[in-house]
Amino acid sequence: AQTVTQSQPEMSVQEAETVTLSCTYDTSESDYYLFWYKQPPSRQMILVIRQEAYKQQNATENRFSVNFQKAAKSFSLKISDSQLGDAAMYFCAYRRIGAGSYQLTFGKGTKLSVIP
Amino acid sequence: EPEVTQTPSHQVTQMGQEVILRCVPISNHLYFYWYRQILGQKVEFLVSFYNNEISEKSEIFDDQFSVERPDGSNFTLKIRSTKLEDSAMYFCASSLDRVRDSPLHFGNGTRLTVT
Repeated sequence: AQTVTQSQPEMSVQEAETVTLSCTYDTSESDYYLFWYKQPPSRQMILVIRQEAYKQQNATENRFSVNFQKAAKSFSLKISDSQLGDAAMYFCAYRRIGAGSYQLTFGKGTKLSVIP
Repeated sequence: EPEVTQTPSHQVTQMGQEVILRCVPISNHLYFYWYRQILGQKVEFLVSFYNNEISEKSEIFDDQFSVERPDGSNFTLKIRSTKLEDSAMYFCASSLDRVRDSPLHFGNGTRLTVT
């Protein structure tokens, strides 16, 4: 079974600074998706960024980027120029690619605080 | 941007009662999901639904749970006889299809409190 581990329950960052959130996972599959979801106080789960395992290039979405290390099964999220609106719970998630498999496996989350 | 909407935002029910959580997925999406998040714990998959039948379900999704798409827009999760441990945030999600690059879109969740 796949597992996703986020070892940092809470993190904080100064506004305009950079922060990196860690995620590791365990799988025997060779191809899969990895995701970072953001959950602000509004509770909605918002997709931040996704990475397909066969793509070696790290995904980037504006101020958000990932460091995907497939051999190490590591998938960290870097937030640059942090803004107050970035304060939220961040969940790392894994999704196996294959017929009939649609479920996401989530980590426990990291609560990010942004200090003005 | 189209959204997945869930009602109610908060539901309180007594143990043993039936509860129905409602979701309106994005209109052109074909795959529907329920996840739950017990307070302080990780988000867990419950069930996926396609073409009016369950595609996949987790161990959590036992006989007390059922899902239905009663019309062209709603997707419901029913818990037949609620238990205290069913208290959680329940998230509905939908996706356009199951090709490789189709992300899940989540609703805001329904907080279920069983007393």
